[in-house]
Amino acid sequence: AQKITQTQPGMFVQEKEAVTLDCTYDTSDQSYGLFWYKQPSSGEMIFLIYQGSYDEQNATEGRYSLNFQKARKSANLVISASQLGDSAMYFCAMRRWGSGNTGKLIFGQGTTLQVKP
Amino acid sequence: DAGVTQSPTHLIKTRGQQVTLRCSPKSGHDTVSWYQQALGQGPQFIFQYYEEEERQRGNFPDRFSGHQFPNYSSELNVNALLLGDSALYLCASSQAGSYGYTFGSGTRLTVV
Repeated sequence: AQKITQTQPGMFVQEKEAVTLDCTYDTSDQSYGLFWYKQPSSGEMIFLIYQGSYDEQNATEGRYSLNFQKARKSANLVISASQLGDSAMYFCAMRRWGSGNTGKLIFGQGTTLQVKP
Repeated sequence: DAGVTQSPTHLIKTRGQQVTLRCSPKSGHDTVSWYQQALGQGPQFIFQYYEEEERQRGNFPDRFSGHQFPNYSSELNVNALLLGDSALYLCASSQAGSYGYTFGSGTRLTVV
């Protein structure tokens, strides 16, 4: 069975500093995808970044990068130059690829990030 | 380009009642998934609809049912509401075969 583990319930970071949010996953599949979402208090899940299991390079999207270590089954999110608007809940999620897979997302428990001015 | 629209945004129901939540997917998307998110938890997959059929179902009782219409919009129905059904219900749309999911802002259901 697939599982996502986020071990940091809450994190604080100073504005303009970088922060790493941890995510480890468990799967026996060879083909899968990893996602990070941001959920502000409004409730909407905002897509941040995606990493495919066969992608050789770490994904980057603006201030977001994903530190993908396949052998260790970790997919940590790095946010550079934190902004006050980054304060939110962050979720790591995974889906399977391949025939017969519908693409349901398995989510972790989330990490609450607070950016201090 | 409108994203995913969910209605209503908030809802208060009494235990034992029935509720219907609605979702309009992003333009160009043909697949709709529903998730339940309890307070302080990650979302849990309820089911997914594609071509008006339930394609996959999570670990939820039969009290949870759904429907997808020809225009790809979807409804989530919950019968015999329990206090434990209080949660944020999120709808996510996607295009079959694509990794991109777009989520709505959710419907916050409170059962009293």
